[in-house]
Amino acid sequence: AQSVTQLGSHVSVSEGALVLLRCNYSSSVPPYLFWYVQYPNQGLQLLLKYTTGATLVKGINGFEAEFKKSETSFHLTKPSAHMSDAAEYFCAVSKLGNDYKLSFGAGTTVTVRA
Amino acid sequence: EAQVTQNPRYLITVTGKKLTVTCSQNMNHEYMSWYRQDPGLGLRQIYYSMNVEVTDKGDVPEGYKVSRKEKRNFPLILESPSPNQTSLYFCASSSAGVGNTEAFFGQGTRLTVV
Repeated sequence: AQSVTQLGSHVSVSEGALVLLRCNYSSSVPPYLFWYVQYPNQGLQLLLKYTTGATLVKGINGFEAEFKKSETSFHLTKPSAHMSDAAEYFCAVSKLGNDYKLSFGAGTTVTVRA
Repeated sequence: EAQVTQNPRYLITVTGKKLTVTCSQNMNHEYMSWYRQDPGLGLRQIYYSMNVEVTDKGDVPEGYKVSRKEKRNFPLILESPSPNQTSLYFCASSSAGVGNTEAFFGQGTRLTVV
C-alpha cells in the first residue's frame, strides 16, 4: 500500500519568505505525485502534478515541486510567500496503472505573518 | 462553468437516521469519487465509480453506500449514520484517471452525527 508523509502539520512563514512544504512517499514504483491546496470553506484545487518527464514541476500561483526518486520526495516550494497563500496543502499520490484513487497525506496548514 | 456540486453543505443529524448527500458534475466526467477528510488523516477515499453502474470500494467504505445510475450524479448514502461518521465529505470527478487529467472537487459537506 502506498503512503504519503507530510512533515509538519503547521508551518508559519513571514510574508516574502520562502515556503517549503515537505512530502515523502513510500512506493516501490514511482507513482504520480500531486500537490493540492484547500482554502477555507472550499474544495481542493490542484497546484501541480508530476507524472513523467522533467522532475521540476511548475504549478499555479508561483509554486513548484521537485520529484527526487532517490529520496522518494516531492517537496513543494514558493520563493516568496503572499498573504493569500494561507491555506491547507495536501500532498497526494496515485498508482501507475491504477490512477482512479488519490492517497493523501495528512496536510500542512500554512499561516503567513505580515 | 465547470463544477462539482454537493448538497447539502452542512448537515446535523441524529444517529440512525438515513441520509443522502448528493453530488453532481456538469463536465461529462466518467470517474467520480467520495472522500472523507478528518483532522490529521487527510482525505481518504470511501467509494469510487469509473462509469455508470460501475462502483467499487475505496479505503474506508464501511457504513456507506453509493449508486451511479446517471453519469452526472453520484450520491453518498448513510443508511444508519453513527457519530464516527462525523466528518467533512468531498466528491470529486475527472474525465479519466488522475494521472492524465485533473480531479475536480466539490466544496464539501460538513456532516455532524449526534
